[in-house]
Amino acid sequence: NAGVMQNPRHLVRRRGQEARLRCSPMKGHSHVYWYRQLPEEGLKFMVYLQKENIIDESGMPKERFSAEFPKEGPSILRIQQVVRGDSAAYFCASSPFRENTEAFFGQGTRLTVV
Amino acid sequence: AQKITQTQPGMFVQEKEAVTLDCTYDTSDQSYGLFWYKQPSSGEMIFLIYQGSYDEQNATEGRYSLNFQKARKSANLVISASQLGDSAMYFCAMRNTGNQFYFGTGTSLTVIP
Repeated sequence: NAGVMQNPRHLVRRRGQEARLRCSPMKGHSHVYWYRQLPEEGLKFMVYLQKENIIDESGMPKERFSAEFPKEGPSILRIQQVVRGDSAAYFCASSPFRENTEAFFGQGTRLTVV
Repeated sequence: AQKITQTQPGMFVQEKEAVTLDCTYDTSDQSYGLFWYKQPSSGEMIFLIYQGSYDEQNATEGRYSLNFQKARKSANLVISASQLGDSAMYFCAMRNTGNQFYFGTGTSLTVIP
């Protein structure tokens, strides 16, 4: 059973371009979480999704950011018109629908905006 | 509102000594889970230990134990016999009944030889 797969591992974008970050959860996991981590800082919650539904997007900026978790395929975090301040590590985690279970993390995508 | 507080930005411990990393949480849920993760310099998030809100015994996993004090809403991580490889960031997290995970700001642990 493969772990949570995130790609790409590293992504460089110029200001104004779009960034698409992909996350394939572990097999059987129906919950996906996205977090942003700035250098020397903790994990900031962005969005929580289940298949085809956004459950909680309270941590996501209202503009330029969107997320989806379609019925088929990976979860996508999309950042439009990137700015330098978007440079960070973006982590995806997945979890089954069981209360007493940890979230399993991917390796993260390190986005650099130049 | 759910909240996780880690008040120690950085900690130092001598090799082979024990160290306690503090974590307090705030929730109105009756059922919740508490977790600790380790993030070494390589960046990956490694799950260490879990404590359920209804568990009466403190969780232990090898050299890791969780000092759970429900009335005080604290879930401190104790690492015994510290090793150089324990140097990393440590994050406390809580899963609530809505299945959301919230993380603290982390504690950077340095093990001194």
